[in-house]
Amino acid sequence: AQKVTQAQTEISVVEKEDVTLDCVYETRDTTYYLFWYKQPPSGELVFLIRRNSFDEQNEISGRYSWNFQKSTSSFNFTITASQVVDSAVYFCALSEGNTDKLIFGTGTRLQVFP
Amino acid sequence: AAGVIQSPRHLIKEKRETATLKCYPIPRHDTVYWYQQGPGQDPQFLISFYEKMQSDKGSIPDRFSAQQFSDYHSELNMSSLELGDSALYFCASSLTSAAYNEQFFGPGTRLTVL
Repeated sequence: AQKVTQAQTEISVVEKEDVTLDCVYETRDTTYYLFWYKQPPSGELVFLIRRNSFDEQNEISGRYSWNFQKSTSSFNFTITASQVVDSAVYFCALSEGNTDKLIFGTGTRLQVFP
Repeated sequence: AAGVIQSPRHLIKEKRETATLKCYPIPRHDTVYWYQQGPGQDPQFLISFYEKMQSDKGSIPDRFSAQQFSDYHSELNMSSLELGDSALYFCASSLTSAAYNEQFFGPGTRLTVL
């Protein structure tokens, strides 16, 4: 069965620190897609990144970077030089090749203090 | 750019009442998804529609029904409301029904059942 685990319930850092949010997934499909979404205090869900199971290349977008490792079924998210505006709940999600519904992890609440 | 529109943004109902939530997808998006996010929880998939047909179904109570109309907007109808139905209800849309497509989420409808 498919499952997404975000073991870190809450992380607190001081501005400018680097922080990594962990995501471990389970699936029996060989074709699947992984996503990260951000939910700021205002409540909306903001798409950050999608990665397919055949592309293990890491990605960097500004202060954000993602590390996908199939060997450990992990898709971790790092924020470099964190800012107060990064404070939000971050969800990792999975969709399998035969369905497009998203299976979310329980989320990690990141608090960045000035 | 146009985003997913949900109405109403906030809704307060009494137990056993009915509620209708509306979702207007991004133009040219033919697939709509509904998710329910309870307080402090991750979003849970309810149901999805592709080209006005139900494409997938998740943990949606029998008291709930949904449909997608010819203009691709969707409505989630909820009857015999219970206290446990209080949640943030998200609608998302995607360009087509495929696991690799990112889902763009609306701002959500916050339903409170008293």
